[in-house]
Amino acid sequence: AQTVTQSQPEMSVQEAETVTLSCTYDTSENNYYLFWYKQPPSRQMILVIRQEAYKQQNATENRFSVNFQKAAKSFSLKISDSQLGDTAMYFCAFTPPNYGGSQGNLIFGKGTKLSVKP
Amino acid sequence: DTAVSQTPKYLVTQMGNDKSIKCEQNLGHDTMYWYKQDSKKFLKIMFSYNNKELIINETVPNRFSPKSPDKAHLNLHINSLELGDSAVYFCASSLGLRDTQYFGPGTRLTVL
Repeated sequence: AQTVTQSQPEMSVQEAETVTLSCTYDTSENNYYLFWYKQPPSRQMILVIRQEAYKQQNATENRFSVNFQKAAKSFSLKISDSQLGDTAMYFCAFTPPNYGGSQGNLIFGKGTKLSVKP
Repeated sequence: DTAVSQTPKYLVTQMGNDKSIKCEQNLGHDTMYWYKQDSKKFLKIMFSYNNKELIINETVPNRFSPKSPDKAHLNLHINSLELGDSAVYFCASSLGLRDTQYFGPGTRLTVL
């Protein structure tokens, strides 16, 4: 079975500091996509960052970057210069290859609740 | 303009009723999805439509049925609502299969 594990149910960080959220996944496939989504209290699901498994270079989006370790099946999210608006649930998600009954299926982890403190 | 919209945002109803949640996307995407988020915040795929064809149907009860009148809309119909159906339902869309999915604001369904 293909699964996504986020081992940190809750984390907190001081404003302006850096925090890393962990994510591991389990798959026997070689070609897939990984995502981090953010869900603030407003409930909206917002894409933070996306990584293609065939790319060795880690994706970055402004203050957000990932550490993608394909062999270890690890996909952590680093948030630099944390801001109060980063307070949210963060979900790691994985899309398996495009065949069978799994086309487009986003498999989510259980989420990490991040609190940024002033 | 909202890219993916859902109506209503809140829905409170009695057990046994039939209800629908509407979803519309104005992104020109070919694929649309429905996800269910339970009380523990866990998100799980329910359905997806690609070019108006159902391509995923996870083991959801057949009381749930997606209906797509056109490529921009994917509505979710739920018959004989049960207490366990209470959840937040998200619609999403993507350009194609495995492309980035963009989510609607969610519909919080409460079954009394």
